Amino acid sequence: GAVVSQHPSRVICKSGTSVKIECRSLDFQATTMFWYRQFPKQSLMLMATSNEGSKATYEQGVEKDKFLINHASLTLSTLTVTSAHPEDSSFYICSAFSGTVETQYFGPGTRLLVL
Amino acid sequence: KNQVEQSPQSLIILEGKNCTLQCNYTVSPFSNLRWYKQDTGRGPVSLTIMTFSENTKSNGRYTATLDADTKQSSLHITASQLSDSASYICVVHNAGNMLTFGGGTRLMVKP
Repeated sequence: GAVVSQHPSRVICKSGTSVKIECRSLDFQATTMFWYRQFPKQSLMLMATSNEGSKATYEQGVEKDKFLINHASLTLSTLTVTSAHPEDSSFYICSAFSGTVETQYFGPGTRLLVL
Repeated sequence: KNQVEQSPQSLIILEGKNCTLQCNYTVSPFSNLRWYKQDTGRGPVSLTIMTFSENTKSNGRYTATLDADTKQSSLHITASQLSDSASYICVVHNAGNMLTFGGGTRLMVKP
């Protein structure tokens, strides 16, 4: 079946640094990719919707200058957490959507810890 | 407002027992409803996808039902195993390509 990968799987960084997370659809072209954040014991919260070749659409309350999203190709989207702070520590998950109802798959997630 | 409510929030059962998780939604216009299993520290994995016309769909020991009239869905797990311990998330997809997530049910299967 279709696979979505994320890299890195976990990252530890110092406060104030930037971290880039990659999301790749490995065997299909993703017209849309979604980025989610999940805090412990909570459900996924949509951060932004990314369409290939256009600017991402951010959910209310998500700072677009802090969470930079680039969807440069149909198989790759990146999320950059700029000037990360400890409160940004979370589990970040992407999902890729090809346009058909059945084809939406989640990545394995990236655990970010900001010290 | 689109909402998905799941119950119970958490559940503990003994290995080998059956259980049923509930999902009520108010998403409109409805496209499909999905149940996901999410192991701790991992991304969600799709169990079933149900469209408006489908009432029941099975995937191994998992059986999902959908009542589009009452806007309710259930996920029944038969003969539970220790590996079933996870969060189960109900997600409703509307016709505008937006997902609404339920809060999830945390299931723990004990030996």
